[in-house]
Amino acid sequence: DAGVTQSPTHLIKTRGQQVTLRCSPKSGHDTVSWYQQALGQGPQFIFQYYEEEERQRGNFPDRFSGHQFPNYSSELNVNALLLGDSALYLCASSWDHNSPLHFGNGTRLTVT
Amino acid sequence: KNEVEQSPQNLTAQEGEFITINCSYSVGISALHWLQQHPGGGIVSLFMLSSGKKKHGRLIATINIQEKHSSLHITASHPRDSAVYICAVSTDGGATNKLIFGTGTLLAVQP
Repeated sequence: DAGVTQSPTHLIKTRGQQVTLRCSPKSGHDTVSWYQQALGQGPQFIFQYYEEEERQRGNFPDRFSGHQFPNYSSELNVNALLLGDSALYLCASSWDHNSPLHFGNGTRLTVT
Repeated sequence: KNEVEQSPQNLTAQEGEFITINCSYSVGISALHWLQQHPGGGIVSLFMLSSGKKKHGRLIATINIQEKHSSLHITASHPRDSAVYICAVSTDGGATNKLIFGTGTLLAVQP
């Protein structure tokens, strides 16, 4: 049983570009959350998807958007990349909002 | 002041020692999570609790809702326990909604 998988594992982009990160939740999970973790910091909540809709959102600008597909997989899109967007992006899934979270290994994004 | 505070920030222990990591929070919560993060990023959920105490192997987590405080204990520590331990709280409805994370405790267990 595969856990949460994220792709790609590493990514280098140039300032101003756009990026799409992908997440496949653990089998049986229908809720996906995205977090940004800057170096040396704790993760910050970006948003959560459930039933293909954004259910909650953290304090991130509209440049950060997402999508959840009918198979519960999810994408995180970031437009007009800034140097400060360089971070580890973590995806977490659960089968409802009261069950334990399972995290992926993250995508490390570097913006140059 | 952060809504979730952990102490200590760094901890070095000798193999076999009993370890305690503390977490204090200043908001109302639905649940509190203890997570383990190894170098390279992967996060593993250790405990999710809203009251009392939970035990898994050598790990014990306790929470005092009235005092807004939780502790993670590791008994008979081992070098493989070396990692960053993160406390996080859920404040908005469900136990896994919109987690607020502490900055973590870096634990190094020396043989």
